[in-house]
Amino acid sequence: AQKVTQAQTEISVVEKEDVTLDCVYETRDTTYYLFWYKQPPSGELVFLIRRNSFDEQNEISGRYSWNFQKSTSSFNFTITASQVVDSAVYFCALRGNDYKLSFGAGTTVTVRA
Amino acid sequence: GAVVSQHPSWVICKSGTSVKIECRSLDFQATTMFWYRQFPKQSLMLMATSNEGSKATYEQGVEKDKFLINHASLTLSTLTVTSAHPEDSSFYICSARDAGSYEQYFGPGTRLTVT
Repeated sequence: AQKVTQAQTEISVVEKEDVTLDCVYETRDTTYYLFWYKQPPSGELVFLIRRNSFDEQNEISGRYSWNFQKSTSSFNFTITASQVVDSAVYFCALRGNDYKLSFGAGTTVTVRA
Repeated sequence: GAVVSQHPSWVICKSGTSVKIECRSLDFQATTMFWYRQFPKQSLMLMATSNEGSKATYEQGVEKDKFLINHASLTLSTLTVTSAHPEDSSFYICSARDAGSYEQYFGPGTRLTVT
């Protein structure tokens, strides 16, 4: 069975602050993929990143960065210099060999002007 | 990029009626599509896996006779909520797996309200 845990339910910050979202996962598959999605109020899921279990390189994309640590089964996501438009629910997800996605509970990020 | 559409984007129906939701892959073929349900302020939960030309596989606790899934072509899967009740009100999201790349792409979702 696969499990994704996002311990933070809600995070509220003031604009320009950095925000780090935690994600811890469990799987027995040796090959798996980890994802982060953003869900704005409209409801449509926005794909942010996919990471293969064999690739532990951290990644930066603009104000977004991801830290993948296999040793601790974590795949954390940081938004640098947050903006109001970053307000959304963020989901971490895991896909194993069966191609089914298991989502974490989600973290609601509110960025105040 | 690959596009998945859902129709309708929102629907209101009366209790006891059935409603059909379509999921289409617009620019790729999808041998497999997935249906998720999301209740307010909750996460996405996989309901079923739909394979083209064969019966859908339902997750534990999902009533297959209530949520009928048909995947008749490589670009279309449908979810029919039969005899809908207010507790079926939810956000239904599909994803389609590209037969060539195996990547999954999500549709924009369908908001169902049963009155």
